[in-house]
Amino acid sequence: NAGVMQNPRHLVRRRGQEARLRCSPVKGHSHVYWYRQLPEEGLKFMVYLQKENIIDESGMPKERFSAEFPKEGPSILRIQQVVRGDSAAYFCASSPTPGSPIFFGPGTRLTVL
Amino acid sequence: SQQGEEDPQALSIQEGENATMNCSYKTSINNLQWYRQNSGRGLVHLILIRSNEREKHSGRLRVTLDTSKKSSSLLITASRAADTASYFCATVVSGNTPLVFGKGTRLSVIA
Repeated sequence: NAGVMQNPRHLVRRRGQEARLRCSPVKGHSHVYWYRQLPEEGLKFMVYLQKENIIDESGMPKERFSAEFPKEGPSILRIQQVVRGDSAAYFCASSPTPGSPIFFGPGTRLTVL
Repeated sequence: SQQGEEDPQALSIQEGENATMNCSYKTSINNLQWYRQNSGRGLVHLILIRSNEREKHSGRLRVTLDTSKKSSSLLITASRAADTASYFCATVVSGNTPLVFGKGTRLSVIA
């Protein structure tokens, strides 16, 4: 069974470019979560999605960030016009039901030059 | 805002010793979970304890929950060098809310 897959694992962007991070949840999991982690810090919740719906986006900046989890295909976290402060590790996680243990992907490390 | 807060922030022990990490949280919860993160990797779920449970064991791990004090502890017995990692507690407030993580405890086990 494949776990949560994220790609790319490393992404380098220049200021002002767009970053698209992809996440394929565990097969059968319909709940997807995105977290951001700065070096030496904990995980900060960004957004919680269920197939085709955003359930909670309270941790995601209103500007430049968007997320989707379409009926078919991976979940996408999109960051437009990246700035240096966006540099971080972005982790995707999935679960079969809300409140149950969640399974993390290996993360995408975004570096903004 | 952070719901859970781990204590201590860092812990260094000798192999074979026990390691205890604590977690305090602010609001009523549905369950509390502990995760481990090895450097540069995703988190791995260790154990889940529900709000109506007081203690749970899994191998060398023992978790306690005191809802009156809004706190939990994770005990790793007979630690090994491979236990070196960061440990995070995370709380679920209600069924449809996402896990909220603390800042973690960095555990170093010295061989």
